[in-house]
Amino acid sequence: GQNIDQPTEMTATEGAIVQINCTYQTSGFNGLFWYQQHAGEAPTFLSYNVLDGLEEKGRFSSFLSRSKGYSYLLLKELQMKDSASYLCAERDEAGNNRKLIWGLGTSLAVNP
Amino acid sequence: DTEVTQTPKHLVMGMTNKKSLKCEQHMGHRAMYWYKQKAKKPPELMFVYSYEKLSINESVPSRFSPECPNSSLLNLHLHALQPEDSALYLCASSQGDWTDTQYFGPGTRLTVL
Repeated sequence: GQNIDQPTEMTATEGAIVQINCTYQTSGFNGLFWYQQHAGEAPTFLSYNVLDGLEEKGRFSSFLSRSKGYSYLLLKELQMKDSASYLCAERDEAGNNRKLIWGLGTSLAVNP
Repeated sequence: DTEVTQTPKHLVMGMTNKKSLKCEQHMGHRAMYWYKQKAKKPPELMFVYSYEKLSINESVPSRFSPECPNSSLLNLHLHALQPEDSALYLCASSQGDWTDTQYFGPGTRLTVL
């Protein structure tokens, strides 16, 4: 995706914590989504951040720093079923041109 | 209910066939979308319908023709496709503006022979 960057692959161990980072362009920024996508399935919505800070939802948390153009998704107590691709998507409203810019996704492998 | 349904789940078609993909949502969402997704790539936006009107066409070839019969239904008509059109086709909907949270259907896995 244009101007949005996340690592291609990550590996972690069951029960551990993993942080997936996403950086984006700051002009026109108006929110950041995180989606989870298992292989061959549709993306499912995880979180949306528009204000600075941490949003916690069970084992998953998402953080945003608008000034740094940076977000991360934190997954705790990893389970095998968390093996999936994690996509960040920036809601961009530069001028009158609204668009959703998708990152290329981070493929997370959780090992026993 | 946050469910978007799509049929068929799988579709195999020849380059001369005409087929349609169907999508339905009953969440009262006013925006609906078609995406194309290749393996290990993010979803690629094709069309956006807002209040049953086509609002965005991302320069999609005319062999793909969208249709929105009513606020709950979205179709994608396929004709004379190419093998490179083989992909996962995802439908999504959102409550209002198309940059709102989108809820995706399970997708149709399309293979063009």
